[in-house]
Amino acid sequence: DAKTTQPTSMDCAEGRAANLPCNHSTISGNEYVYWYRQIHSQGPQYIIHGLKNNETNEMASLIITEDRKSSTLILPHATLRDTAVYYCIVRANTNAGKSTFGDGTTLTVKP
Amino acid sequence: SQTIHQWPATLVQPVGSPLSLECTVEGTSNPNLYWYRQAAGRGLQLLFYSVGIGQISSEVPQNLSASRPQDRQFILSSKKLLLSDSGFYLCAWSKGKGQPQHFGDGTRLSIL
Repeated sequence: DAKTTQPTSMDCAEGRAANLPCNHSTISGNEYVYWYRQIHSQGPQYIIHGLKNNETNEMASLIITEDRKSSTLILPHATLRDTAVYYCIVRANTNAGKSTFGDGTTLTVKP
Repeated sequence: SQTIHQWPATLVQPVGSPLSLECTVEGTSNPNLYWYRQAAGRGLQLLFYSVGIGQISSEVPQNLSASRPQDRQFILSSKKLLLSDSGFYLCAWSKGKGQPQHFGDGTRLSIL
């Protein structure tokens, strides 16, 4: 699976959009981009995933560049409860579906 | 809906003692199952995964083993714990190809 690069930490003001970047320059054609977040001492929570088209759900939007070498997770109106570590993962579209989790981005939403 | 259960939530064990952590999934059949370990402040390291009963793949050499005696049951074991086995252990399931993983609440294991 391709590796990803994320900033170590980011801050965001409450109510503003949080834009979390991820580089995955070695991504293969059959690899999806997944985003998870982990609130302290809990298991990671799935947020969203995509292959090449932009995706949106009730939690967030995922913007994938045309060359698929990077993506951005957007939390449109960040709240204090969005403070967490956010992981960007690329994973092949195979049955085993193994994921490699890096150290993620610690997002701190401030009042 | 599907749910995943892990227990215990916390565990303190002496060095050299055995270990058994259990994970069960409800509301789905034939899931892919995964065990991860997370060191403090770090990302998740995949330890084992299983695509079916009795089918276990190991990702890293270690002091641990995994078993899948039933379709929705995944067990992480050790015969003799080491200090380095301390960590946060997470079980996850997915429906398979291209599907996201869903995690349990984890077990925090401390070795003394």
